[in-house]
Amino acid sequence: KQEVTQIPAALSVPEGENLVLNCSFTDSAIYNLQWFRQDPGKGLTSLLLIQSSQREQTSGRLNASLDKSSGRSTLYIAASQPGDSATYLCASKGAGGTSYGKLTFGQGTILTVHP
Amino acid sequence: GAGVSQSPSNKVTEKGKDVELRCDPISGHTALYWYRQSLGQGLEFLIYFQGNSAPDKSGLPSDRFSAERTGGSVSTLTIQRTQQEDSAVYLCASSLLRASGGAVETQYFGPGTRLLVL
Repeated sequence: KQEVTQIPAALSVPEGENLVLNCSFTDSAIYNLQWFRQDPGKGLTSLLLIQSSQREQTSGRLNASLDKSSGRSTLYIAASQPGDSATYLCASKGAGGTSYGKLTFGQGTILTVHP
Repeated sequence: GAGVSQSPSNKVTEKGKDVELRCDPISGHTALYWYRQSLGQGLEFLIYFQGNSAPDKSGLPSDRFSAERTGGSVSTLTIQRTQQEDSAVYLCASSLLRASGGAVETQYFGPGTRLLVL
């Protein structure tokens, strides 16, 4: 059964700092890995999706990497802003076994960027 | 509408009552997913529908939970004889196509229904 872990559970940084959020998964048989942000009381917003054959994806100040063999993904946020404050979730889509086709989510990292 | 919508946004019910939660996916999306987010827990997969295929119900926690998707569009999640442990945010998501291939895999989430069972 796939297990997804996110470290750290919470992170507080000053505005302008670059930061890295970590995600690890136990089963490398994945179709893709997706990063989401969730604002308080809101649904999830997809940020980046990396296919299993890809190594990274970039969107604006965000860069996500994937190392399937080691079961790791990172989300890099450059020049953080207070508006980046949210919970960040990673999720892997299973390619085999009982996880086939399903998204398995990590517990999330709560990010606070203070002015 | 442009995104996934869910109703009601909030629901308070008494233990033992039945509740129905509704999801309207993005028009044209063939795949629809239900998830549950309990306080202090991660997102938990419940069920998904893909086109006319039989739904994958493997995530439903008990036989009190069921879901339908009518006409390949709107979906209803029904919880019978609600229990206090059913209190959670129920999230619906849709994607264009549940198959390999880039952006079509991206799941778009609705704002959720916050269910409180007293």
